[in-house]
Amino acid sequence: AQKVTQAQTEISVVEKEDVTLDCVYETRDTTYYLFWYKQPPSGELVFLIRRNSFDEQNEISGRYSWNFQKSTSSFNFTITASQVVDSAVYFCALSEDAGNNRKLIWGLGTSLAVNP
Amino acid sequence: DAGVTQSPTHLIKTRGQQVTLRCSPKSGHDTVSWYQQALGQGPQFIFQYYEEEERQRGNFPDRFSGHQFPNYSSELNVNALWLGDSALYLCASSLHRLWHEKLFFGSGTQLSVL
Repeated sequence: AQKVTQAQTEISVVEKEDVTLDCVYETRDTTYYLFWYKQPPSGELVFLIRRNSFDEQNEISGRYSWNFQKSTSSFNFTITASQVVDSAVYFCALSEDAGNNRKLIWGLGTSLAVNP
Repeated sequence: DAGVTQSPTHLIKTRGQQVTLRCSPKSGHDTVSWYQQALGQGPQFIFQYYEEEERQRGNFPDRFSGHQFPNYSSELNVNALWLGDSALYLCASSLHRLWHEKLFFGSGTQLSVL
């Protein structure tokens, strides 16, 4: 069965600290997609990144970086030099490539508070 | 280019009532998915509409129903509301042929059932 686990419920850091958000997933499929979304207080989910199961390259986008490791079924997200504007709830999600199965399975989210 | 729009933004209902939530997808998108997000939880998939038909459904009772119109907009209907239906309801749009690409979300409708 599909499952996404975000073990960290809440994280609080001081501005400029680096922070890593963990995501562990379970799937039986060999082809799948992993996502990270950010949900600020406004409620709208904002897409951050998508990674397919065949691409294990790490990715960096500005202060954001992602570490995908199939061996440990993890897709961790690191924010370097955090800023107050990074405060939000971050969700990891999984989608399998199984016929008409097009739904996303979401973790419970990690609430990040970046304090000045 | 308008993104995904949802209405209303907030709604208060009492137990047993019925509610209709509305969603207009991002321009050019043909697929609408609905998610329920309870406080402190991740979104839970309700169902997805494409070509005016429900294509996939999550683990929600028949009290939850939907509709998609020829212009791709969609409605979510919930009958016989109960307290546990209180949540943020999110609409997401996408292109059916690019289902594995990112979803675009609206800001949601916050439903409170008293």
